[in-house]
Amino acid sequence: QKEVEQNSGPLSVPEGAIASLNCTYSDRGSQSFFWYRQYSGKSPELIMFIYSNGDKEDGRFTAQLNKASQYVSLLIRDSQPSDSATYLCAVVNYGGSQGNLIFGKGTKLSVKP
Amino acid sequence: DAMVIQNPRYQVTQFGKPVTLSCSQTLNHNVMYWYQQKSSQAPKLLFHYYDKDFNNEADTPDNFQSRRPNTSFCFLDIRSPGLGDAAMYLCATSRDRAPLNGGADTQYFGPGTRLTVL
Repeated sequence: QKEVEQNSGPLSVPEGAIASLNCTYSDRGSQSFFWYRQYSGKSPELIMFIYSNGDKEDGRFTAQLNKASQYVSLLIRDSQPSDSATYLCAVVNYGGSQGNLIFGKGTKLSVKP
Repeated sequence: DAMVIQNPRYQVTQFGKPVTLSCSQTLNHNVMYWYQQKSSQAPKLLFHYYDKDFNNEADTPDNFQSRRPNTSFCFLDIRSPGLGDAAMYLCATSRDRAPLNGGADTQYFGPGTRLTVL
């Protein structure tokens, strides 16, 4: 059973701080990784994707991937109250003829003003 | 300019009464997915269509069926809803399937349909 693990939180950070969200995955063959943000009662929206080891930056967001450790993280700099949401890590699972997304349960982030 | 549209946004049905959820897309994407998400749980893939090719997940109950009459529309049919089927149902699309050699097209989600079973 391919798994994606996240700490459910809640992770609470003060406004302006760096929020660090972590994710581990069990399938060593995984090559594509996504971070989605989901506000309460809403659908997931894509934040970032990363395919290569190292860091990928997009504005206040940085995704970090370490395939050897089977670990992917999302850093949010200068956290804002509007960043308060559940962050879902998703990994492409290559079963059968193509890949499907396997989601973690998400980490709930709370940014306090 | 919504790209993935789901109707209705909220659906209430009775135990055992068939229900159909609708998804449409303006992206002309080849792949359409249906996920079930229960409270504080990960979205769980039920099945997907690659063009007209239907792909069912092994653990999706027979109670769940899907139809894709054309590129733009995809339906989720729940033949006999049980209390345990109450959830958010998410439709997503992607331009193509994830190739085996790596990479993956982004999946775009609709707003979801929240299903309540009485």
